[in-house]
Amino acid sequence: NAGVTQTPKFQVLKTGQSMTLQCAQDMNHNSMYWYRQDPGMGLRLIYYSASEGTTDKGEVPNGYNVSRLNKREFSLRLESAAPSQTSVYFCASSDRNTNEQYFGPGTRLTVT
Amino acid sequence: KNEVEQSPQNLTAQEGEFITINCSYSVGISALHWLQQHPGGGIVSLFMLSSGKKKHGRLIATINIQEKHSSLHITASHPRDSAVYICAVDFGNQFYFGTGTSLTVIP
Repeated sequence: NAGVTQTPKFQVLKTGQSMTLQCAQDMNHNSMYWYRQDPGMGLRLIYYSASEGTTDKGEVPNGYNVSRLNKREFSLRLESAAPSQTSVYFCASSDRNTNEQYFGPGTRLTVT
Repeated sequence: KNEVEQSPQNLTAQEGEFITINCSYSVGISALHWLQQHPGGGIVSLFMLSSGKKKHGRLIATINIQEKHSSLHITASHPRDSAVYICAVDFGNQFYFGTGTSLTVIP
C-alpha cells in the first residue's frame, strides 16, 4: 500500500498563475483533509471532505477550491496564486474508527 | 476557536534523558493526537487519546480531560528521537494543531 500520495513535491508559480495539487489514498478512508504549514504557525486546515461528494471549509479556505473526485482522490486548486500562499501543503486521510490521521509527504509551493 | 499551546518550543537533551513535552487546550474536545514530524518533513501519527494513558515502546502519552492538558514523555531518549512533536486537538471533523516542539537529542 502506498498510503497517501501527493503530487507534485515541489512547485514554483508566478503570482496569478493557477495550479492543482493532487492527493490520493489507498486505505479506503472516508475523510480527507488539506492543510498548510507555515513557519511558527503550525498546521492549519484549509478544507476537508468527510465523505465522497462532500466538502467543507476549514480554518483558512480563502483562495482555494477543492474537489473530492471519488473516495480515493481529493484535489486542491489555487485559481490565482498569491505570494501569501507560499507554504508547504499536506494532504491527509483518516480512519473512521480512530480518526488517526495519515499524512502525505507534502508539496512545497513557492509563489513569486 | 480552540487554542492549542505547546511547551517548550525547543528542547535539547543528552542521550538517555527523560523528556516531557506539554500540550494545553482551551475547550472540550473529542480526542487529542500526538504527531511526529521528521527532519525530512514527513508527519506520522504517534498516539490518539481520549482519556488516560497510552504507551508505545519508549513513548508514553497522558491526557487529563478536566485540566485540558496532555503530556508526551520519551524515556531513555536517543538521537533518532530528534524531530518536531506536534499535538492536535480533534473535534471530529476538524483538527487544530500546536506549533510543535523541536527536540534535539545529542549523543
